[in-house]
Formats: sequence, structure tokens, C-alpha cells
Amino acid sequence: AQKITQTQPGMFVQEKEAVTLDCTYDTSDQSYGLFWYKQPSSGEMIFLIYQGSYDEQNATEGRYSLNFQKARKSANLVISASQLGDSAMYFCAMREGRGTGGFKTIFGAGTRLFVKA
Amino acid sequence: DSGVTQTPKHLITATGQRVTLRCSPRSGDLSVYWYQQSLDQGLQFLIQYYNGEERAKGNILERFSAQQFPDLHSELNLSSLELGDSALYFCASSVEYGGRQETQYFGPGTRLLVL
Repeated sequence: AQKITQTQPGMFVQEKEAVTLDCTYDTSDQSYGLFWYKQPSSGEMIFLIYQGSYDEQNATEGRYSLNFQKARKSANLVISASQLGDSAMYFCAMREGRGTGGFKTIFGAGTRLFVKA
Repeated sequence: DSGVTQTPKHLITATGQRVTLRCSPRSGDLSVYWYQQSLDQGLQFLIQYYNGEERAKGNILERFSAQQFPDLHSELNLSSLELGDSALYFCASSVEYGGRQETQYFGPGTRLLVL
């Protein structure tokens, strides 16, 4: 069954250091997409980065990069040079499906990141 | 600002009542998704519409229904409300064409409190 696992309920990181948030997934589909979203205390969901299952290179978006290891079914988010504003809840999500079948998306339980000054 | 709008921002109602949540997708996006976020269940996918047609269904209760109108805005109807329906309801939209997977952009959410 489709599943997303985030094993770190909470993480601390020192400002300006890098941090890795773990995400593993389980799917029998060959075509899928992996996403990371940030949810600050204000509640909105902010898109960070996307990785397609057929993408050969790891995705990067500014200070965010996705360490995609397909064989291990992991899609870890790496945040470089952490900033105080990075303190938030981070969700890993996976979307299966294609075309007329529609897309079903599931989210992990989230990791709360605390950035220390 | 993602470009997705949701109204109202907050809603307080009583058990047994019915409410309607509204979502306007980003300009050009044909696909709309609804999610429920609660403390005990996390973020749950409810339903997806594409260009007016239902595309995918998740953990949506029979008391809940949704539709997407010709102008592409969408409404989520919640009826016979229970205390457990209190949650943050998100709408998201994406461009979906040729089966290509596209990123979902989320609205600010509607916070529903059932008393």
C-alpha cells in the first residue's frame, strides 16, 4: 500500500548549519512524484521541491535539495545554511497516478524543525 | 501567496449543521484538490477534480461532497457536522495536462470549528 514515513518527529539544528530531514516511501507504481512542503506556525502549506520518479538528477531549489535514492525508496530533504525562518513543520508527500486516473497524494506525519540561534 | 484563494478563513458552527467551503484555483490551473488536516489524522487527501470532473477520491466521508464549476472554482460541502470534523481544510490546485505530474499549490486553508 502507498505509504510515506517520516521517522523524525522533531529536529534541532544550529543556525547556518545544514540539516537532513528523512523520508521513505512505499509504492508499487513506477510513475510517481515526491514533494516537500513547509508549514510554518501560521498554517499555510508552502511548496519547496519536487522530484519525479524518472528524474535522474536530484532536485535542487535554492537552499533546498532532495537526496533521491530510488532503490532505497528514500527522498530526504537537505536544507543548507539553516535560517531562523526555517523553523516549521516539514511534510514529505508522494503522488501516484497518471492521466485520466487522477492523482492521489499522501503525506507523511511531518518533522518539526527548530533552528537555534 | 500561492495564488489559490479559499473562503472563509474561519468558520464556527454547531454539530449537525452544514457548511460550504469555497476555493478558487490559480489562474490556468484545471485541477483542484481538497485536503483535511487534523491533529489526530494528519493531512488527508479527500478528493480531486479536473476541469469539472471528479478524478480521484481519497478518505472522503459520505457526509462530505464536492464539485468543480465551469469557472473552475470548487466547493466542498460538509453536512451533519460532528465534533471530529473540526480541522483545517486545504484546497490546492495544479496544472494537469497530458498526464504529466505537476506541483500542487495550496491555499491558506479554512479553519473549521464544530461546537
